[in-house]
Parts: sequence; C-alpha cells; structure tokens
Amino acid sequence: GAVVSQHPSRVICKSGTSVKIECRSLDFQATTMFWYRQFPKQSLMLMATSNEGSKATYEQGVEKDKFLINHASLTLSTLTVTSAHPEDSSFYICSARPPESGAEQFFGPGTRLTVL
Amino acid sequence: GEDVEQSLFLSVREGDSSVINCTYTDSSSTYLYWYKQEPGAGLQLLTYIFSNMDMKQDQRLTVLLNKKDKHLSLRIADTQTGDSAIYFCAEKTGGFKTIFGAGTRLFVKA
Repeated sequence: GAVVSQHPSRVICKSGTSVKIECRSLDFQATTMFWYRQFPKQSLMLMATSNEGSKATYEQGVEKDKFLINHASLTLSTLTVTSAHPEDSSFYICSARPPESGAEQFFGPGTRLTVL
Repeated sequence: GEDVEQSLFLSVREGDSSVINCTYTDSSSTYLYWYKQEPGAGLQLLTYIFSNMDMKQDQRLTVLLNKKDKHLSLRIADTQTGDSAIYFCAEKTGGFKTIFGAGTRLFVKA
C-alpha cells in the first residue's frame, strides 16, 4: 500500500519557538494532504486541507497564522507551528490522498510535539 | 451537525469475537471507514464500505452497515492480543470531509 512518512516523529521545543513538521508521500503523488491534531484519548480533529500549489483550507477555529501550511510539491506538505506554546503540545498526524483514489487516505505515523 | 459516536472501551477474551459499534449522523455520507491505531502510531485503514452496501467481509473482519439507522459495526473474528488497539470509525460526508469518532479502545485478554 501507499506510504506516508512524517518527520520528525517526536520534537520537544521551548515556548516561543517555531517547529516545522514534514509530511511526505513516498510512492505516490498527493494532490491533497490533510493535517490532523489528536489530543490524548480523543479523536482526530481536522485542522486543514492542503492542496498542491494553492492555499490551504483551514477548519473553523484553527488559526492560519499559527499553523502555517505549505504544499510545495506533489509529495511534500509542511506544517509549521509558529511561536509554540504548551497548549500546542499534541500529536499531529498528516494524511495524503492519491488523485485516483475516491475513498482512501493514507496516514503518516504522526509527530508528537511537546512544548516546554 | 456532523457527528460520529462510538463506545470508548471494549474488553474481550482471546479467541472470542469483538464487535465495535458506531453511529453517524450525515445521511449523505459516501464512504464509512474503520481505522486501527496502535500506541504512538498513526492510523491504519482496516477496511471501508460504500454507503450503498450493507456488508463487507475481509478475512477476519466483517463490516455491517445499516443505513436506515446510520449504524456501522466492525466484527473481528477470533480476536488476538495483537488486535489490541484503538479503533476509529469515520465517515466521508456529503461535503467530502472525513469525520472521526472518538475511538474504541479494544483490550484483548489472553
């Protein structure tokens, strides 16, 4: 099956710094990638939909200036958490959908962000 | 609004069948999914069903869909300790978003 990777898998940073998380589709081109946030013992919350070559579509309540998304190529999307605060600590998961797939998203392994 | 609900916890003995239930609200959903998440990992798609189907079987997994009641279930036959994980039900809505339930934690006792 299709593989999606995320880097880094785990990051610890100081409050006020920015953190960039990469999401790559390794063996397919993804015109659409999704970024989710998962709180402990809770479901995934869709943050934004990222389309290659255009601006991301953010869900209601998600700050665009706080969570910068760039989908520069068909295999790479990045999420930058700017001026991170402890409440941004979470598990961030990306997923990617091949253009020919009507149903399936392939998920990355997730990135655990801890802001001290 | 769009919502997916599922029970939070299920405990079974090894070798028994597990049934995880889910209800959803969007009658225009097109696909319904079951994902598995192991600790500290991303989501793995287990199976999905088109909204015009009522059953799908894939080896040990059986998905039943009652579209009238907006009820989806996942049955795992001969449950093994390796099946212990969180199982998420999700629907692809008519608006093309994927909405996830809160997840059911399956605990398999040896």
